[in-house]
Amino acid sequence: DSGVTQTPKHLITATGQRVTLRCSPRSGDLSVYWYQQSLDQGLQFLIQYYNGEERAKGNILERFSAQQFPDLHSELNLSSLELGDSALYFCASSVDPNPLSNEQFFGPGTRLTVL
Amino acid sequence: GQQVMQIPQYQHVQEGEDFTTYCNSSTTLSNIQWYKQRPGGHPVFLIQLVKSGEVKKQKRLTFQFGEAKKNSSLHITATQTTDVGTYFCAGFYPNDYKLSFGAGTTVTVRA
Repeated sequence: DSGVTQTPKHLITATGQRVTLRCSPRSGDLSVYWYQQSLDQGLQFLIQYYNGEERAKGNILERFSAQQFPDLHSELNLSSLELGDSALYFCASSVDPNPLSNEQFFGPGTRLTVL
Repeated sequence: GQQVMQIPQYQHVQEGEDFTTYCNSSTTLSNIQWYKQRPGGHPVFLIQLVKSGEVKKQKRLTFQFGEAKKNSSLHITATQTTDVGTYFCAGFYPNDYKLSFGAGTTVTVRA
């Protein structure tokens, strides 16, 4: 158990819908990261927040957005869902965003299925 | 663009044998990390390498960072069934906060 929690574990929805994935980082970690893992794309970095502020952006679609709240939990919002958005979404956290001290702890993931 | 390449994609190993997985980048990395993901699980941090030419060992696992900080390897000796999973390398580029993951090497072990 990494200490990072993600809800829900599984999500099944239809194309065109909107969903929200939730992540609570480890106690004391200020940085939160979101990743998408699909069979053909591997582990893709989406976005990073540090202490409530966006810190880095990866290959995140405009239909996707995220935020980190004052209690440091984070939400990833996926809208106008397409079949290709079906994937495992991981949240990770670290103490700080400094790459040299950036051991990331991953949550168990949310498996999203778009039908 | 900056990308971490990892080979091989799959490694089928006889129990007791050794194997190596490799990561390469066309440009210099600030550091490199290795993660292991068991089937059905999430990535788990194994180690971080920062210095040029650095070598670190964890029991049967040996991690190396190249002199030019453009490549890295993970060597596992005397493979066991507990080594099954996907091993990812992931690197930070200078002045970048994004961790770039390799595609992973998925390891299966024949008993």
